[in-house]
Amino acid sequence: KNQVEQSPQSLIILEGKNCTLQCNYTVSPFSNLRWYKQDTGRGPVSLTIMTFSENTKSNGRYTATLDADTKQSSLHITASQLSDSASYICVVSARNGGGADGLTFGKGTHLIIQP
Amino acid sequence: GAVVSQHPSRVICKSGTSVKIECRSLDFQATTMFWYRQFPKQSLMLMATSNEGSKATYEQGVEKDKFLINHASLTLSTLTVTSAHPEDSSFYICSARKLLPWDEQFFGPGTRLTVL
Repeated sequence: KNQVEQSPQSLIILEGKNCTLQCNYTVSPFSNLRWYKQDTGRGPVSLTIMTFSENTKSNGRYTATLDADTKQSSLHITASQLSDSASYICVVSARNGGGADGLTFGKGTHLIIQP
Repeated sequence: GAVVSQHPSRVICKSGTSVKIECRSLDFQATTMFWYRQFPKQSLMLMATSNEGSKATYEQGVEKDKFLINHASLTLSTLTVTSAHPEDSSFYICSARKLLPWDEQFFGPGTRLTVL
């Protein structure tokens, strides 16, 4: 069964500090992995999308890593800001023979940035 | 970038009435759209896959007669919650599948449904 596990479930840090969120998956065959940011009461917004051959990808203060061998990904947030408070969701896409990708969602990490 | 809109953003209705939620891809065509439901502090749960010009595919446990989906054009899918009950109160999110340059889903902003 395809699964995506995220840790920690929730995290509180002070403004300006860095943090790293983890995502482990057992999705196969692997197509790509995406990190989304979801503000409360809003839809998810894509931060990064990574394919099998990519190890690191940055989007401003967000840096995602992918280790396809160990099936782990991380999202590092640098110099956190109050606006970073949100849920961060890891989504892994599986590719089947028909070409239609199925998505497996993690439960998310709820991040709170305190002033 | 790809933009997906939803309307309405919030709706409050009485028990027993029907509510229609619209999902539009504003700057691309989407042959496939998805409808999700999300409870507080929970992950998104896929309800159904909406295919333009054909019947929707529902996930196990989702009543197709309760949640009517219509995907009449390449930019519009609608979800109608029929005979709504308080337990249907939730956050409903749609996404639209864009094939190029990546096979990727873009999410709408969500619709908060409250059934009194």
